[in-house]
Amino acid sequence: DGGITQSPKYLFRKEGQNVTLSCEQNLNHDAMYWYRQDPGQGLRLIYYSQIVNDFQKGDIAEGYSVSREKKESFPLTVTSAQKNPTAFYLCASSIFGRRANDQPQHFGDGTRLSIL
Amino acid sequence: SQQGEEDPQALSIQEGENATMNCSYKTSINNLQWYRQNSGRGLVHLILIRSNEREKHSGRLRVTLDTSKKSSSLLITASRAADTASYFCAGGATNKLIFGTGTLLAVQP
Repeated sequence: DGGITQSPKYLFRKEGQNVTLSCEQNLNHDAMYWYRQDPGQGLRLIYYSQIVNDFQKGDIAEGYSVSREKKESFPLTVTSAQKNPTAFYLCASSIFGRRANDQPQHFGDGTRLSIL
Repeated sequence: SQQGEEDPQALSIQEGENATMNCSYKTSINNLQWYRQNSGRGLVHLILIRSNEREKHSGRLRVTLDTSKKSSSLLITASRAADTASYFCAGGATNKLIFGTGTLLAVQP
């Protein structure tokens, strides 16, 4: 079955540590996205990528970094510069349309990141 | 910035009743989408309505869009306990979707 796999499901970060969240999709989608969700809030876009080796900052990119070396993979690194990293992180993918809102996005089941 | 604001923030109904959620957005959009999120899970796409459409149906779901009022509504008919979830609208006219803050729907059996 096609889908998006995020790992790990739970992650703990120590002060000053970088951590990397994995996102893999086998839907053959060109576009991939990372969102952050805080309790009782909607989703906020961190980074997105419409094609391999290219990505764009979203609304809250500070303290995060990404890479897109393969079509299937879009890992997110939460750096020590991100002072409030505790949140639920969601990865999504979609067919590349002329605009993001032209196409439905398919989501993984998220990674919950907490500070130790 | 949030594109959409859902109303109400929380809704509790009995099984078999209809549930209506509203979404208002700030800027012009080309399309609007509705998503559902079960607790602790990812979002699931429900329906997409384009700016030239006024109403769309999918099973027990009915979505309306009023571009002049910058608003949309999601109606779930004959609700079931399994419909308990958060519902989000999302729209945008650029290369990204901007999500609202969601409506938490609880369907009591």
